Amino acid sequence: SAVISQKPSRDICQRGTSLTIQCQVDSQVTMMFWYRQQPGQSLTLIATANQGSEATYESGFVIDKFPISRPNLTFSTLTVSNMSPEDSSIYLCSAPRDRTYNEQFFGPGTRLTVL
Amino acid sequence: GDSVTQMEGPVTLSEEAFLTINCTYTATGYPSLFWYVQYPGEGLQLLLKATKADDKGSNKGFEATYRKETTSFHLEKGSVQVSDSAVYFCALISNAGGTSYGKLTFGQGTILTVHP
Repeated sequence: SAVISQKPSRDICQRGTSLTIQCQVDSQVTMMFWYRQQPGQSLTLIATANQGSEATYESGFVIDKFPISRPNLTFSTLTVSNMSPEDSSIYLCSAPRDRTYNEQFFGPGTRLTVL
Repeated sequence: GDSVTQMEGPVTLSEEAFLTINCTYTATGYPSLFWYVQYPGEGLQLLLKATKADDKGSNKGFEATYRKETTSFHLEKGSVQVSDSAVYFCALISNAGGTSYGKLTFGQGTILTVHP
């Protein structure tokens, strides 16, 4: 099983600033995924982070707002840019349990509050 | 596209009551189905899964059976405890390949509160 850590665990930020969230997996994985959970809502996939290529974004999410890096097979970052209060959410990364991609492990999440 | 629909909540039960949370799905191909649980203040944990029709996933007294004919994956527990109070998410991973590979689609979540 994969162990996934995220930093920071929570942050309070000012409108117009940016925050970079880090996700570390204890094993090498080709794909990592970033999700957003808005208050009281379900999880929505932001993008798929592939090592060695550009991230693939879901409808409604763009690279300028949520740039993603994937420098190696165990690490990824998600930046929330030019934040507004609507960006207040929990951001989670996930990685597959194995090469079947039939199960995902999740990090503990980053709780972001934008004032 | 893929979608997951959960019964509307919240659900409030007394301890030792029987629990059912309904989940139905729409997906291409033969998806894998999951129940995730989120305890207050904690991250998302996999509760159980089923990868093919008629499979039954089980864990911690919870069960769910993959019903392809009704496209359902209802969560059940015979006797709930206060410690089961959490948010429960039904989810699927489409095995259709291509751009859906490995992506989880979640239901809206059901808040369960169990009183002593």
